[in-house]
Formats: sequence, C-alpha cells, structure tokens
Amino acid sequence: EVQLVESGGGLVQPGGSLRLSCAASGFTFSTFSMNWVRQVPGKGLDWVSYINSGSDTIYYADSLKGRFTISRDNAKDSLYLQMDSLRDEDTAVYYCARDDDFDSWGQGTLVTVSS
Amino acid sequence: QAVLTQPSSLSASPGASASLTCTLRSGINVAPYRMYWYQQKPGSPPQYLLRYKSDSDKQQGSGVPSRFSGSKDASANAGILLISGLQSEDEADYYCMIWYNRASVFGGGTKLTVL
Repeated sequence: EVQLVESGGGLVQPGGSLRLSCAASGFTFSTFSMNWVRQVPGKGLDWVSYINSGSDTIYYADSLKGRFTISRDNAKDSLYLQMDSLRDEDTAVYYCARDDDFDSWGQGTLVTVSS
Repeated sequence: QAVLTQPSSLSASPGASASLTCTLRSGINVAPYRMYWYQQKPGSPPQYLLRYKSDSDKQQGSGVPSRFSGSKDASANAGILLISGLQSEDEADYYCMIWYNRASVFGGGTKLTVL
C-alpha cells in the first residue's frame, strides 16, 4: 500500500524557516516524480513544486519567488521542502503527492505563519 | 483570468448524473492537455479520480468506480467529469488540473451537493 507521511509543520514567525519532510513507503520511491501542494483551510488546492525521480528537473510556482527549495533523498525514500522567508500567506496545509498524476497524497502537515 | 475555471457549486439528486466542467482560459486549447480530476471530502486529502486527454489516452484511478468518467467538450474548450448514478457519498469538492508551462495548475474547485 502506498503511504506518504508529511511532517515538520508547526507555528513559525514571519520571516522564519521550516523544513517539511514526506516519508514514502509501499512503492519504489526512486522511480517516481513527486510534488508539494498546499491548501489554505477552506480554500482550493495550490501547487507548490515538482521534482523528478533523479532530481534533475525541478519546477516551482512563480508566486514563491525563490523562497522554497524542493529536494529528495532516494536512499531514504524521502521528499523535502525547505521554506524560507515565510509569510502570513504561506499558512496552509502542505501535502506531498506522487507522480505527475498526483495519484497518491499524504494526510498533510499544517504550517502556521504568525507572530 | 485563471487558467482553469470551475463553477463554484453544483447540486444534483441521488441517482441522477452530474457533469462538472473545467474551462480553459481563452487562448489555451483544451485538445492537447491531459486533464486530471480529484475528489476531496472534508477533513481528508484529495483523492485521484482519473485523467482524460482522449478516448485513447485516459486512465481511471485505482479503485475508482466506472460511474466516474472523463471527457472533453471542444466547443466549450472544457474538460468534463461525469458522475452517473449519484450517491450521497459523492458529495465532495472536485478539482481539475492540467500541466501548463512547466507548472501544475488547479481549478478553483466545484462543491457538489447531492440532495
């Protein structure tokens, strides 16, 4: 069974940093691309970033303006999102999702940016 | 104007069919794009339903009932998610998505009420 488990969310002050992790199991992680998607509670889905299986193709949403960095460690079956210069508007539930199809999703981790 | 536009809400009766539309912005032709559909129920992450580009390029999500199907309306420049034999459990938010210019783009979502 495919499982994706996000962690690392929490309360952070504006301007601060957080690193999210997504632990994968139940499939050969190293052969799949991965994505981060966020959702403000009560609002729609907002794609954040994409990384291919070999980490040589990476895309970001234009709105992030270089503040976030996606990475992965295939030896550890893990996906990461380093978030810097956080703003109030980054407050959301962050999901990791598998493949170009987003065919499996984790339960999400809540990031709250507030002073 | 958003890349993908979905009606914010739709109501239908149990046993009936519901057609959820996802319209591409003027100037972006729906034909070459795979359109993806997701279902999200309150308190849960999104779930992949299916993708549809053409009758020869389509995929049903694992375990997704066949009463969920995809199509396109070229005249309306839109992708369509058809849900037949509506059940109360189909009440949820539905999101469409395409990959556009090296970015994943989600529609704003349609809240489907089954009453």
